[in-house]
Amino acid sequence: QVQLVQSGAEVKKPGSSVKVSCKTSGGTFSSSPFNWVRQAPGQGLEWMGRIIPVFRSANYAQRFQGRVTIIADESTRTVYLELSSLRSEDTAMYFCATDRAFAFDIWGQGTMVTVSS
Amino acid sequence: SYELTQPPSVSVSPGQTASITCSGDKLENKYVCWYQQKPGQSPVLLIYQDTMRPSGIPERFSGSNSGNTATLTISGTQAMDEADYYCQTWDNTYVVFGGGTKLTVL
Repeated sequence: QVQLVQSGAEVKKPGSSVKVSCKTSGGTFSSSPFNWVRQAPGQGLEWMGRIIPVFRSANYAQRFQGRVTIIADESTRTVYLELSSLRSEDTAMYFCATDRAFAFDIWGQGTMVTVSS
Repeated sequence: SYELTQPPSVSVSPGQTASITCSGDKLENKYVCWYQQKPGQSPVLLIYQDTMRPSGIPERFSGSNSGNTATLTISGTQAMDEADYYCQTWDNTYVVFGGGTKLTVL
């Protein structure tokens, strides 16, 4: 059974970058799709991007283009989300999730990122 | 860009049937799935490919998709079903979520 364990909470200054990790166990890592979804406090879910490790390149939601990078490290079975030029509006819970049959079937526990001066 | 529209809130009495809608242009041509999210928890997949239920999801949860509207139906609603519900689909290689519906059981 696939499990996703994310890194701990982060507090960042505006203008800086954050890197959140999602370590996987079980399943076939290289051919599995991994997504990042965020949720601002009291708000809905927002998809940020997706990677399939064997293909290396990720696709990103248009509103994050140029500011987000998703990479996969097959040696550690870990997927990373890096978001740059942080602003207060990026304060949110960030989730990783796998997808199968067009649905997000397994989710990580979430990582809270707070952007504050 | 593609958009999915959900009502912000729905109320239902215990034991009754709750229906949560999700609207989008020609939505019937896309697969829709539904998630339940309780406070402080990660979302849980309830329905995928319009009507399919993952193992472990109670039979009282069902889905449909026709025309421009997908519907999540909860039969015999229980107090534990009080949560936020999100629909989701794909627009080419991009993922789209609805804005979410808060279900109140009262």
